[in-house]
Amino acid sequence: GAGVSQTPSNKVTEKGKYVELRCDPISGHTALYWYRQSLGQGPEFLIYFQGTGAADDSGLPNDRFFAVRPEGSVSTLKIQRTERGDSAVYLCASSLGSRSYNSPLHFGNGTRLTVT
Amino acid sequence: AQKITQTQPGMFVQEKEAVTLDCTYDTSDQSYGLFWYKQPSSGEMIFLIYQGSYDEQNATEGRYSLNFQKARKSANLVISASQLGDSAMYFCAMRENSGYSTLTFGKGTMLLVSP
Repeated sequence: GAGVSQTPSNKVTEKGKYVELRCDPISGHTALYWYRQSLGQGPEFLIYFQGTGAADDSGLPNDRFFAVRPEGSVSTLKIQRTERGDSAVYLCASSLGSRSYNSPLHFGNGTRLTVT
Repeated sequence: AQKITQTQPGMFVQEKEAVTLDCTYDTSDQSYGLFWYKQPSSGEMIFLIYQGSYDEQNATEGRYSLNFQKARKSANLVISASQLGDSAMYFCAMRENSGYSTLTFGKGTMLLVSP
């Protein structure tokens, strides 16, 4: 079946601009996660959705970052007034359920964001 | 304190040999899961193997096995009969049962397999 789909695969934007990154999870997966991965590092948690609501947004670095999942499926990560330090690969993942510690996360291929 | 520690930034192994990638973890939860992911240069994160804290047997998936030592809080990945395609970054991760638990990753180990 189809995996997690992320678009665009690459995004180059100028400092100060607004960007949206999209994630389409695996069908039937109720939990959706956003991570950010900088070069040479492991993925860092940003936000997690269970259904339509953000259950944990403790990883969002500041109020320039926001994510939505209005219908409990597709999610959009929004970054306002982008800064060069926002440059990274943004990974989306989904899983069958969030409350069970034995559910693996299935990741998309990521969006590489470059802020110039 | 780091929740997941991977002390080997890089490892080299010859094709067909076995290699062990180290991972130690820190949690006060009794229930938790440990995961290993592979990330090739293409960037995708591929789930390899899972070990639950209550599992009595070490997990195995094909050429991958997990050497789980609960008292030492270690969950090392063993890859047998290495192949050139195993060259990639490998991440250890933990998911705790407390609250709305996400996956916490280590910094990774780069594995290079030579012919």
